[in-house]
Amino acid sequence: SQTIHQWPATLVQPVGSPLSLECTVEGTSNPNLYWYRQAAGRGLQLLFYSVGIGQISSEVPQNLSASRPQDRQFILSSKKLLLSDSGFYLCAWSEQGISEAFFGQGTRLTVV
Amino acid sequence: GENVEQHPSTLSVQEGDSAVIKCTYSDSASNYFPWYKQELGKGPQLIIDIRSNVGEKKDQRIAVTLNKTAKHFSLHITETQPEDSAVYFCAAKNAGGTSYGKLTFGQGTILTVHP
Repeated sequence: SQTIHQWPATLVQPVGSPLSLECTVEGTSNPNLYWYRQAAGRGLQLLFYSVGIGQISSEVPQNLSASRPQDRQFILSSKKLLLSDSGFYLCAWSEQGISEAFFGQGTRLTVV
Repeated sequence: GENVEQHPSTLSVQEGDSAVIKCTYSDSASNYFPWYKQELGKGPQLIIDIRSNVGEKKDQRIAVTLNKTAKHFSLHITETQPEDSAVYFCAAKNAGGTSYGKLTFGQGTILTVHP
């Protein structure tokens, strides 16, 4: 069966520090991968999605970037964090051509 | 692009009562409508979904209905239990075309079931 792993679960980072969040999927090949951000426990905003290695599409302009160095690995990064980057970050995956999307357990990022 | 509106934002019911959450969507090309349940501090969990070729789907105590003409769909939970308390999200997607499976979410409903 397929599983999605996301880490770390919580992270406290100072303003101006770099960020790297990682997400991996097991049990499938060539999945669609997504990064969402959720503010204040409500509303999921799509940040990035990827349909293949090295293929990244950005949905909103921001201080973040994403990369997909391997088929089932998706990384969310920032060179310098802002206070406004605080939030709950969720990775998700779906199979190509299949509707269902499944989420990881999320990373709570607090920028101080 | 797609826009999904969800109501109510909060819903409080007594254990055993039914709960109904409603969503409307704007893009007539959307053809897949999932519902997610999110417990505190966790990722959303897919609980039920419906495709545009059916009007209703049921899974034990939960059911979803879809009205394509009116572009709205609803989640129905019967015989609610305290463990149903969570935030519920509806979403819409055009599962074909070039949308790459991107989901557009409603703003969520905080459901509280009182014992």
